[in-house]
Amino acid sequence: AQKITQTQPGMFVQEKEAVTLDCTYDTSDQSYGLFWYKQPSSGEMIFLIYQGSYDEQNATEGRYSLNFQKARKSANLVISASQLGDSAMYFCAMREGGGYNTDKLIFGTGTRLQVFP
Amino acid sequence: DGGITQSPKYLFRKEGQNVTLSCEQNLNHDAMYWYRQDPGQGLRLIYYSQIVNDFQKGDIAEGYSVSREKKESFPLTVTSAQKNPTAFYLCASSIPGRGTGELFFGEGSRLTVL
Repeated sequence: AQKITQTQPGMFVQEKEAVTLDCTYDTSDQSYGLFWYKQPSSGEMIFLIYQGSYDEQNATEGRYSLNFQKARKSANLVISASQLGDSAMYFCAMREGGGYNTDKLIFGTGTRLQVFP
Repeated sequence: DGGITQSPKYLFRKEGQNVTLSCEQNLNHDAMYWYRQDPGQGLRLIYYSQIVNDFQKGDIAEGYSVSREKKESFPLTVTSAQKNPTAFYLCASSIPGRGTGELFFGEGSRLTVL
């Protein structure tokens, strides 16, 4: 069965430093998508970055990059130059299949990131 | 502005009462979803709908019901059969088969059973 594992309940990072949030996944599908979302204390879920299973290059979006290691089934999020506003919960999620009919995602348990001055 | 509106933001109910959470989207998305979030846990799928007048159970559908009579609306009813309804509920939408397929979320509804 498909599963997402985030083993870091909480992480601390100093402002302007880089931080890596870990995510491993399990699926038997060849086609799948991996997502990272940010959830501030207000509760809304903010989409950060996406990686398709057939994408050869690691995805990047501004200060966010996804370190995709397919053989190890890992999809770690790297945040460069952390800012105080990055303090939030971060969720890794996976969609099995090509997403042609549905985009239902399964989520990990999340990592709470705290950025300190 | 396009987006997803959930209401109410906070809701209190007594045990044994049904309550309905509203979710409206003006993004013209075909698919809509309801997730539940408990402290220390990720999001779990309750129900989803790919098209009007059709919906499927997710992983934790027991004690919940939905309807999809209009494309823009996907209300969730938390029934008295749901044994532990206190949680944060998130509604989302997407256009399957286009782009990355990311979900667009509302701001959530927090339900507390007294």
